[in-house]
Amino acid sequence: IAGITQAPTSQILAAGRRMTLRCTQDMRHNAMYWYRQDLGLGLRLIHYSNTAGTTGKGEVPDGYSVSRANTDDFPLTLASAVPSQTSVYFCASSPGQGGYGYTFGSGTRLTVV
Amino acid sequence: GENVEQHPSTLSVQEGDSAVIKCTYSDSASNYFPWYKQELGKRPQLIIDIRSNVGEKKDQRIAVTLNKTAKHFSLHITETQPEDSAVYFCAASTSGGSNYKLTFGKGTLLTVNP
Repeated sequence: IAGITQAPTSQILAAGRRMTLRCTQDMRHNAMYWYRQDLGLGLRLIHYSNTAGTTGKGEVPDGYSVSRANTDDFPLTLASAVPSQTSVYFCASSPGQGGYGYTFGSGTRLTVV
Repeated sequence: GENVEQHPSTLSVQEGDSAVIKCTYSDSASNYFPWYKQELGKRPQLIIDIRSNVGEKKDQRIAVTLNKTAKHFSLHITETQPEDSAVYFCAASTSGGSNYKLTFGKGTLLTVNP
């Protein structure tokens, strides 16, 4: 692993199903983030974690949950997917304060049908 | 919280011309302003950033300017080339305290026509 890895790359999901998007980084960054990207709306923050064991809500947290059991992993769970959650999801990490050194994963394209 | 506005949403230029993208921010405490480039189907990647103790920063054909009083910052690309075609995002954050995250603008789709 080099940098930050997301899985799966893409997924088609039936509405109502549960789905976990995986994100792993090997840079020992303290902070991790989940963004969704929709055309015309840019990158919107879903949830974040400043350090292992802590999480916080971003701009659009409803319908999503996260956990941060260790430094490297930051999974995003959709408990019951809905079509409006169709989007491209990016995980990112940064060393610490102030947004410096953000590194993005390659993204997960999720389609909820 | 912080709010970042970005204009224009789309920009089309001829190869060799200059391109300027502008952003405004709401939180006067913000002091770090990066710019990201996202090519089609790829992840956003940092191209240049500026901190609030600097008014301008250049890196070859790209430059960023910051006006703290007016709370706006701009990306300038000179001698544009077709490979500059991408979506560009500005962002803002504050360092210090418990804030670690960036707030992004909605992006500008830049098209450079050969």
